[in-house]
Amino acid sequence: DSGVTQTPKHLITATGQRVTLRCSPRSGDLSVYWYQQSLDQGLQFLIQYYNGEERAKGNILERFSAQQFPDLHSELNLSSLELGDSALYFCASSGYSGAASEQFFGPGTRLTVL
Amino acid sequence: KNEVEQSPQNLTAQEGEFITINCSYSVGISALHWLQQHPGGGIVSLFMLSSGKKKHGRLIATINIQEKHSSLHITASHPRDSAVYICAVISSGSARQLTFGSGTQLTVLP
Repeated sequence: DSGVTQTPKHLITATGQRVTLRCSPRSGDLSVYWYQQSLDQGLQFLIQYYNGEERAKGNILERFSAQQFPDLHSELNLSSLELGDSALYFCASSGYSGAASEQFFGPGTRLTVL
Repeated sequence: KNEVEQSPQNLTAQEGEFITINCSYSVGISALHWLQQHPGGGIVSLFMLSSGKKKHGRLIATINIQEKHSSLHITASHPRDSAVYICAVISSGSARQLTFGSGTQLTVLP
């Protein structure tokens, strides 16, 4: 158990819908990273927050957004969903702002868009 | 060409064999991660290294910065080592994000 929690574990929805994925980091960790893992693209970095502020942006679509709240949990919002958004979404946390530190991964949310 | 290339893509070994998974990258990096993804999907960080060698139990990771190459070795492999092993780099120019290899699927047979 990494100490990182993600909810829900599974999500099935339809094209055009909007969903919110939630991540709670390990106690004391200030950084939250979001990753997408799809069959055709593998793992990709989406976005990072550190202590409530956006720190880095990767291959995140404009239809996706995220935020980190004062209690340090983070939410990833996916809107106008398309079939290609079906993937595993992981969050990870670390105690530092840079990626050159050990990251602890949550169990993931499996999103299926029908 | 991907920035991070892993080989082999698939590897089947007999229990007890010594296993090597390779990772080559084309950019300057500040650090490299090795991750393990279990059949259920969960990801565990195995190592983060920027030089030399690290060892944890039966796992050894090495990196050669000049040759832009890292290896993950598993000694005395066991069926529970069956998983996908993923290499990820932090490029020098973008110190805040990981770029991932496509992974090596390892199956260890009893």
